[in-house]
Parts: sequence; structure tokens; C-alpha cells
Amino acid sequence: EAQVTQNPRYLITVTGKKLTVTCSQNMNHEYMSWYRQDPGLGLRQIYYSMNVEVTDKGDVPEGYKVSRKEKRNFPLILESPSPNQTSLYFCASSLGRVTEQYFGPGTRLTVT
Amino acid sequence: EDQVTQSPEALRLQEGESSSLNCSYTVSGLRGLFWYRQDPGKGPEFLFTLYSAGEEKEKERLKATLTKKESFLHITAPKPEDSATYLCAGPNQAGTALIFGKGTTLSVSS
Repeated sequence: EAQVTQNPRYLITVTGKKLTVTCSQNMNHEYMSWYRQDPGLGLRQIYYSMNVEVTDKGDVPEGYKVSRKEKRNFPLILESPSPNQTSLYFCASSLGRVTEQYFGPGTRLTVT
Repeated sequence: EDQVTQSPEALRLQEGESSSLNCSYTVSGLRGLFWYRQDPGKGPEFLFTLYSAGEEKEKERLKATLTKKESFLHITAPKPEDSATYLCAGPNQAGTALIFGKGTTLSVSS
């Protein structure tokens, strides 16, 4: 089954404790992206990657890092999480930069 | 600034009461307009892509249409299971990302 998977689905952590959210897709898509979704603000792009070893900032990159060492994986790293990073996070993938994107199930992160 | 705006923010319908959701965009030279459905706590689910003014796509009770300035998602005789948030998105000017509207939350009661 074609899909985007994310882990973990739920995470509660404390300020400053480094964490990684994994994302994997099995559709051989070149483009992958991370979004955060907050009430009243909608989906906002954090980082994107157009191919292996090619990543770039989206609209809200501060406090986040990404890497793309393999085509299928695109982990999101929060090196020192803060409470304002409490949010619902989605990974997405697509064939191209502006073609239909397919989303993962989401990771709900709470930073206390 | 590239923008995608959706209206209304929320819409309550009775089962069988047809209506339309609006999506307007300010990006010039639009290269695709995308509609998604999102259920609470879940990832957006792709519905339609529209590329040209006049284009229409249908899926069950949903029909998406596109003009030069806006898109509509028409819902015909909705059922309670159509309740969800509907998002539209378009490419930014640089062509590097999709910009999402804030969505219309549809509630259909029986």
C-alpha cells in the first residue's frame, strides 16, 4: 500500500530534550516536506527537500533541522524543543514540487 | 504575497442541503489548484487537482470547479459522513511549495 508513515504518533517531552520525528514514504517520491498545523494558522511549511541531500527552508524553519540521506526518509529534528513548538506535525511527499502531496497520519507533539 | 483564502470558515448544513465552498488565490500564473479533505487529528487526504479555468472534477457528492481567480467545491445532497475540514492549496510564486488555505469546516447533521 502506498503510504507515508510517521513515528511517533504522539509525543510528550520537556523543554530542551532533543527529539526526532521520523518520516518514510514508499512511493519513490522525490519531493518531501514537513508542515506544522496550529489552530487558526492552518498548515505551514517548515522544511522541504527536492531530492537526496537537497533541503531548503519553508515558512517557519526556526528551531528545526532536517536531513535527507535516503530518498524514502526525511526525519525532522528538534534539537532543543520549546513550548511554542507544541503542535500537530505532518510529513508529506509528492512526485514534484507542486504536484499533489500525500500526507502522513500526523505526530502530535507536546513540549512542557 | 502569495495567498490562498477560503470561505466560509465554517458551514453547517442539513443532510441533503447542497452548498459550495470557495477558494480564492492571489498567485499569478497558477500552476494547479488542489483540494483536500481533513478529518480531526488526521492527515489531509487528497481529493482533486485542477489546472485550467473551466476544468471540473467530480467524486461522489463533491465537484470542484476552477475559474481564473477562484475555485469552488460544490457539495450536492451532503451526508453526515461528509463532515470534515476542506482545504485548498496552490503553488507559491517560486514554485517550491504548496500554500494552504485555513480551510472550511463543514458539519452536516441528519
